[in-house]
Amino acid sequence: GQNIDQPTEMTATEGAIVQINCTYQTSGFNGLFWYQQHAGEAPTFLSYNVLDGLEEKGRFSSFLSRSKGYSYLLLKELQMKDSASYLCAVRDSNYQLIWGAGTKLIIKP
Amino acid sequence: NAGVTQTPKFRVLKTGQSMTLLCAQDMNHEYMYWYRQDPGMGLRLIHYSVGEGTTAKGEVPNGYNVSRLNKREFSLRLESAAPSQTSVYFCASTTGFSGANVLTFGAGSRLTVL
Repeated sequence: GQNIDQPTEMTATEGAIVQINCTYQTSGFNGLFWYQQHAGEAPTFLSYNVLDGLEEKGRFSSFLSRSKGYSYLLLKELQMKDSASYLCAVRDSNYQLIWGAGTKLIIKP
Repeated sequence: NAGVTQTPKFRVLKTGQSMTLLCAQDMNHEYMYWYRQDPGMGLRLIHYSVGEGTTAKGEVPNGYNVSRLNKREFSLRLESAAPSQTSVYFCASTTGFSGANVLTFGAGSRLTVL
């Protein structure tokens, strides 16, 4: 079966750095996405990786290792507004998105 | 530019009742999707459409019917609601499957079946 694993919940301090991991086992690979979802709202796109390596976008970076079936999302200079769930999703060989259950990130002052 | 609009935002149904969720996008996207989101689980695909007049089953299609009314609108119908269909439903759209084409989601419809 296809599976994506993420930690259920993480806590971090305002101004710090946090890394959210995602491991996947899917039928093929055609890209990995990270979405942010604030409570009661829709998911919104954060980043896309298809090749190995690091993609940086402001305070957010995403890393991919296809050989290890592993990605992480790195959030720097955490702000209270970063409190949200972070969803990892992999596009499989049929170009369908397989979603992780999400990681709830709690930011403390 | 409204993006993806879903109606209604909230609904309470009794077991056996029927209802339709409506989704409309104004981004000229070909592909549209209906997902459900339940606590502790990833988004699960119910049905999707790759263009006007087409629909296809996703991961959890049972108990749901869809219609791609035109390029803009994609509806989801529950013919006989069951408590197991209590969930938050999201409509999403995109220009295509490949590359960095990302999904744009509606705000969600919270459905409770008693």
